[in-house]
Amino acid sequence: NAGVIQTPRHKVTGKGQEATLWCEPISGHSAVFWYRQTIVQGLEFLTYFRNQAPIDDSGMPKERFSAQMPNQSHSTLKIQSTQPQDSAVYLCASSPNERLFFGHGTKLSVL
Amino acid sequence: GDQVEQSPSALSLHEGTGSALRCNFTTTMRAVQWFRKNSRGSLINLFYLASGTKENGRLKSAFDSKERYSTLHIRDAQLEDSGTYFCAAENQGGSAKLIFGEGTKLTVSS
Repeated sequence: NAGVIQTPRHKVTGKGQEATLWCEPISGHSAVFWYRQTIVQGLEFLTYFRNQAPIDDSGMPKERFSAQMPNQSHSTLKIQSTQPQDSAVYLCASSPNERLFFGHGTKLSVL
Repeated sequence: GDQVEQSPSALSLHEGTGSALRCNFTTTMRAVQWFRKNSRGSLINLFYLASGTKENGRLKSAFDSKERYSTLHIRDAQLEDSGTYFCAAENQGGSAKLIFGEGTKLTVSS
């Protein structure tokens, strides 16, 4: 069991570019979560899916951010027109029931 | 909004000693999880509690929904216990999203 796999580990983008972050949940886990971690805000919930359906996206910025789960083996978080304040570690987690298991995260740096 | 207040923010222990971390909640939470961020930056799930206490090795956690708090006790601390510990709680609203505390940086020294 490789755990939750996130790619890339690090991504550097220029301001205004698009960034796509990938997550492969643990096989058999029905829920996938996205969180963001910054020094200032700590760990913040973004969105989650259960059985590929979006359940709660209350933490997602209303503009520029979107998440999809086209199949049970991966989810993507897309940020359009990235801004410096989007710089953070983006964490994906999956869950078979209630416990969350996190990936290593993708460190996004927007220059 | 719902808040999770975690304390202390930093803790230093000598090997073999113990202490407790605490999270207070501003509202009634349905469940709590505790995580440790290891040296590689991964968040490791230590406990999930909907009530009562759980123990795993030198770690013990308790959750009291009515009194709005959870604790994580570490006994006989070892060097490899060093890291940042986070509590995270689910509110009663039905969503599975977690609200995280700010973390406790634990340093265990010899």
